[in-house]
Amino acid sequence: QSALTQPASVSGSPGQSITISCTGTSSDVGRYDYVSWYQQHPDTAPKLLINDVSNRPSGVSSRFSGSKSGNTASLTISGLQAEDEAEYYCSSYTSTTTRYVFGSGTKVTVL
Amino acid sequence: QVHLMQSGGEVKRPGASVKVSCKASGYPFTTYAINWVRQAPGQGLEWMARISANNGNTHYAQKVQGRVTVTTDTSTSTAYMELRGLTSADTAIYYCAREYSLNWFDSWGQGTLVTVSS
Repeated sequence: QSALTQPASVSGSPGQSITISCTGTSSDVGRYDYVSWYQQHPDTAPKLLINDVSNRPSGVSSRFSGSKSGNTASLTISGLQAEDEAEYYCSSYTSTTTRYVFGSGTKVTVL
Repeated sequence: QVHLMQSGGEVKRPGASVKVSCKASGYPFTTYAINWVRQAPGQGLEWMARISANNGNTHYAQKVQGRVTVTTDTSTSTAYMELRGLTSADTAIYYCAREYSLNWFDSWGQGTLVTVSS
């Protein structure tokens, strides 16, 4: 089971919006609405941002939103802030024997 | 509040085994599954295994199947991950994470660094 494909890096200026893509296959992202997104700052554990494609858990900023089309899921960060500079990972449930798969990760830089 | 406390870092020789613990608190332990995710230095997240704390059912990633075993001790609300036949490629931070719902890891342990070196 290969990792889901994410761009290695995305950057934006404060206040701008950016979108991170996460491309899978018909066995994972394209088949199930069990896509999650995580934020990871250096030397810390990942933090859940989005679950079930677009659900934002309590306490997560409304600046984060998720969507999906076909085999590709997306995370949009609006009103980019300095604190958003981190690594972002998508994850999907998969029909293969490996139950879950993560994306390759995207480094977000705030210019 | 929900808290997952992992055991301390380990240094192991190639070929050895390691067992990492994850003690849960703040919620009914048997209500949610525990997953194990690892992260090699400078690399991304890799899902390894899952165990239902309710009935002990397990799932393993193909890449580590046969070398990894996950268990729970419900009397102490603790999950364990044992990895055998260690190689330098297993050097990583190992995280446990509570699975609130399918592919919804809402709480994570602080991570345990396992270093495999001769």
